[in-house]
Amino acid sequence: DAKTTQPPSMDCAEGRAANLPCNHSTISGNEYVYWYRQIHSQGPQYIIHGLKNNETNEMASLIITEDRKSSTLILPHATLRDTAVYYCIVRVGGGKSTFGDGTTLTVKP
Amino acid sequence: DAGITQSPRHKVTETGTPVTLRCHQTENHRYMYWYRQDPGHGLRLIHYSYGVKDTDKGEVSDGYSVSRSKTEDFLLTLESATSSQTSVYFCAISEAGISYEQYFGPGTRLTVT
Repeated sequence: DAKTTQPPSMDCAEGRAANLPCNHSTISGNEYVYWYRQIHSQGPQYIIHGLKNNETNEMASLIITEDRKSSTLILPHATLRDTAVYYCIVRVGGGKSTFGDGTTLTVKP
Repeated sequence: DAGITQSPRHKVTETGTPVTLRCHQTENHRYMYWYRQDPGHGLRLIHYSYGVKDTDKGEVSDGYSVSRSKTEDFLLTLESATSSQTSVYFCAISEAGISYEQYFGPGTRLTVT
């Protein structure tokens, strides 16, 4: 599975959009991009995933560049409850996947 | 929420003792995973299973073994616990196929003294 690179930390004002970047320059053609988040010490929570098209669900939007080497997770109206560690991973199928250290997003009042 | 439970949720054990952690699912998902998470770090894959009796190693498998005799249960065993295995252990499940997300359990906090 391809490795990903994320900034270690980011801040965002409450009510503003949070844009979390992820670099996955070695992604292969059949690997999907997944985003998870982990609040406090809970188990990670699935947010969204995509292959090459932009995706949106009730939690977030995922923008994948045309060359698929990077992506951005967008939380359109961040709240204090969105403070968490966000993980970007790439994988195909049900096999191995690697979680890096993620980005710690702090939403401030 | 996906039906995943882990037991025990907390355990303190002594160095050299065997320890078994259990992950139980009610979703009938094919894939099950064990991860460990150390303070300030992301999750590292220990072992995973792609079916009953079918398992494979992850990136940090030394000192750990797994077994899956039923679809719903995936056991992680530390044959002889060491202090370096003090960690939080998460189980996850996913359906088969190329684009299925993982669902995680609540975690087991293991302390080896």
